Amino acid sequence: GAVVSQHPSWVICKSGTSVKIECRSLDFQATTMFWYRQFPKQSLMLMATSNEGSKATYEQGVEKDKFLINHASLTLSTLTVTSAHPEDSSFYICSAARRLAGGGGPYNEQFFGPGTRLTVL
Amino acid sequence: AQKITQTQPGMFVQEKEAVTLDCTYDTSDQSYGLFWYKQPSSGEMIFLIYQGSYDEQNATEGRYSLNFQKARKSANLVISASQLGDSAMYFCAMRGLTGYNKLIFGAGTRLAVHP
Repeated sequence: GAVVSQHPSWVICKSGTSVKIECRSLDFQATTMFWYRQFPKQSLMLMATSNEGSKATYEQGVEKDKFLINHASLTLSTLTVTSAHPEDSSFYICSAARRLAGGGGPYNEQFFGPGTRLTVL
Repeated sequence: AQKITQTQPGMFVQEKEAVTLDCTYDTSDQSYGLFWYKQPSSGEMIFLIYQGSYDEQNATEGRYSLNFQKARKSANLVISASQLGDSAMYFCAMRGLTGYNKLIFGAGTRLAVHP
């Protein structure tokens, strides 16, 4: 299957600082990338959908000025948590969507990165 | 709006036994896809199985099978011959035609396999 990487895998930062998380599709071009947040013992909550070269679409309740998403190329999307606070501590997971082989069907395949654990002190 | 419901927060199963993890869904889309993912303690999301809404046969992938009952809007995961390594969180997810095919996840079920 296709490979998606995230960097860093974990990060600890002080309150008030900004943290950037990278999501890369290593062996395919991603038409769309998604960012999820997962609190301990909870499900994945979609934060935003990111398309290359256009503004991200944020889910209801997600502050776009706090969680900045940049999708500069078909293989890279970044999530920046600005002025992080302890309540932003969470597991952040990205996924990248690739068109199905042959372009048939309405769906894309989606591949997940390994996640980034953010701890804000 | 789309919704996925997993009513079992936790399940126990004896090694080598079969176990069924429940999932019901709600959507107004005529065409949609249903997925099951496994998340071990490491946090990675491992794709297990996929069922399209127009697929007439239940999907199977090795020890995993999806019991798809469209009229009841259920998509239960059946794991046969459980192994200790199956202990993990399991998430049911749905994808529709709108919203760039985004996935909506259920709350998850934690499965513990006992020797």
